Amino acid sequence: AQSVTQLGSHVSVSEGALVLLRCNYSSSVPPYLFWYVQYPNQGLQLLLKYTSAATLVKGINGFEAEFKKSETSFHLTKPSAHMSDAAEYFCAVSGSYIPTFGRGTSLIVHP
Amino acid sequence: GAGVSQSPSNKVTEKGKDVELRCDPISGHTALYWYRQSLGQGLEFLIYFQGNSAPDKSGLPSDRFSAERTGGSVSTLTIQRTQQEDSAVYLCASSLESSERGNTIYFGEGSWLTVV
Repeated sequence: AQSVTQLGSHVSVSEGALVLLRCNYSSSVPPYLFWYVQYPNQGLQLLLKYTSAATLVKGINGFEAEFKKSETSFHLTKPSAHMSDAAEYFCAVSGSYIPTFGRGTSLIVHP
Repeated sequence: GAGVSQSPSNKVTEKGKDVELRCDPISGHTALYWYRQSLGQGLEFLIYFQGNSAPDKSGLPSDRFSAERTGGSVSTLTIQRTQQEDSAVYLCASSLESSERGNTIYFGEGSWLTVV
């Protein structure tokens, strides 16, 4: 069994501030973990993924995430938010053939 | 194709009508997924195909929903006797193999269904 919990349906930051989107997972097998971004009226686009090669994963657009097994977490961060980062972000876990997605976190960036 | 292609991109239908949504996955991808995304909700798994077979249909919400995949490529999701609660974005995704090996799944832009 596997599941994903994204803490906070909305996160609001000022432009230039740190972005932190939280994701906790559960999985009965070693997991693969993903972050996807969805811009308005578009499909989901892969930001980054963890496949056990390295615990700190760097993705596109300056985002990164750190896999912490002891905390069962895979939080997404970016040092400095841009207005263009405003979107919906989904965390996903895959240890079986069907990935399970979190409910999403809407990132709001204020000028 | 270069990416996952879905059609129609938008569909408005009357309650009680049948609709067909089409997905053309990335060439060579054996795994294909359908998800549903309702307003303010996450992604709800509907069905998974490996090749032409569907080993997991557990997410289909009712017997009004069905899906098929032919030639290991194009898939069609059919909703019969549509209801207003069927209004949602239907997302198709594909991956080279099943995701249990960490394969990335790639999404189409979705088919927006509105039932009036």
